[in-house]
Amino acid sequence: GQNIDQPTEMTATEGAIVQINCTYQTSGFNGLFWYQQHAGEAPTFLSYNVLDGLEEKGRFSSFLSRSKGYSYLLLKELQMKDSASYLCAAMDSNYQLIWGAGTKLIIKP
Amino acid sequence: DGGITQSPKYLFRKEGQNVTLSCEQNLNHDAMYWYRQDPGQGLRLIYYSQIVNDFQKGDIAEGYSVSREKKESFPLTVTSAQKNPTAFYLCASSTTSGHTDTQYFGPGTRLTVL
Repeated sequence: GQNIDQPTEMTATEGAIVQINCTYQTSGFNGLFWYQQHAGEAPTFLSYNVLDGLEEKGRFSSFLSRSKGYSYLLLKELQMKDSASYLCAAMDSNYQLIWGAGTKLIIKP
Repeated sequence: DGGITQSPKYLFRKEGQNVTLSCEQNLNHDAMYWYRQDPGQGLRLIYYSQIVNDFQKGDIAEGYSVSREKKESFPLTVTSAQKNPTAFYLCASSTTSGHTDTQYFGPGTRLTVL
């Protein structure tokens, strides 16, 4: 079956760095998406990776290893506004997104 | 400003009633999607549409219906046949379907069945 695993909750300190991991198993693979979702709001797009390696975008970076079925989202210089859920989604061979349950990130001062 | 709107933000329904959730986009996107989000679970696809007058069932279509009469609009009806309709409903759109286009989401409708 198709499956996405990511930690349920993580806690980090303002100004620090945090890495949110995601492992996936899909029928075929057409890329890995990361979204940010504040409580009660819409998910907003953060990144897309389809090739192995690290993509950097400001304070946020995303990494993909296709051979390991593994991705991570790296958040640097954490700010209180980064407190949110981070959703990992893999696109299968039919171009459908398979979603993880999300990682709730709590930032402490 | 281009975007996706959903209305209403909160909706209460009595058991046995049908209710329709609105989704409109002015991004000129061909593809539109409806997801359901429940606590502790990933988003689950209800229906999607790749083009006007065409739509396909997603993983959990039972108890739901949709229409796509206009490119901009993709309303979702939650029927009385849906056994557990209380959830957060998200509409999304992308340039096309069947490709790696990014999906953009509306603000969501939280439906509560009383």
